[in-house]
Amino acid sequence: EVQLVQSGAEVKKPGESLKISCKGSGYSFTNYWLGWVRQMPGKGLEWMGIVYPGDSDTRYSPSFQGQVTISADKSISTAYLQWTSLKASDTAMYYCARPANMWEPLPLFDCWGRGTLVTVSS
Amino acid sequence: EIVLTQSPGTLSLSPGERATLSCRASQSVSSNYLAWYQQKPGQAPRLLIYGASSRATGIPDRFSGSGSGTDFTLTISRLEPEDFAVYYCQHFGTSPPGTFGQGTKVEIK
Repeated sequence: EVQLVQSGAEVKKPGESLKISCKGSGYSFTNYWLGWVRQMPGKGLEWMGIVYPGDSDTRYSPSFQGQVTISADKSISTAYLQWTSLKASDTAMYYCARPANMWEPLPLFDCWGRGTLVTVSS
Repeated sequence: EIVLTQSPGTLSLSPGERATLSCRASQSVSSNYLAWYQQKPGQAPRLLIYGASSRATGIPDRFSGSGSGTDFTLTISRLEPEDFAVYYCQHFGTSPPGTFGQGTKVEIK
């Protein structure tokens, strides 16, 4: 069974750093890109970016370029989303998701993690 | 940049009724790269339709998608209680990839 298991909820203060994770199992981790999607409270879905664990090639949405870093460690089948200095406006649910097609970065997501809730508050 | 506009914002219907959801793109897009997702409260989204009209694995045939160019439609032929949720369309091509519409909520009347 394909699974994406995300790290637990986080409560942080503005200015702090954070790295959340997403561990894939049940499939060949290095054959699929892995993406991140933000959902702010009560709002819709926003595609943030995507990483190819095979060689760490990464693509970002223009809205998130420079705001976050997406990475992956293929040795432990885990992708990451990180911030160096959180803002209150980063408060959201963050989902990792796997595209339906091997080797393609197009974000047609057929498998999703359960989400990591990040709360940034002073 | 392609913008997807969904309408209506909220659709109030009864179980058994037909639901018709619209997704309009700001410029013509390939139907190959148009998808629909369902999201229930407290859950991750679920892929329903890709390529504008192909159902994803395990999706009941009461869900159907159609359209081309700038106008796309998701139809639920007869609403089941578990279908009341928020639905998002997505363009997963370029410019930039992964753009979602703002969502349509299907609620019980």
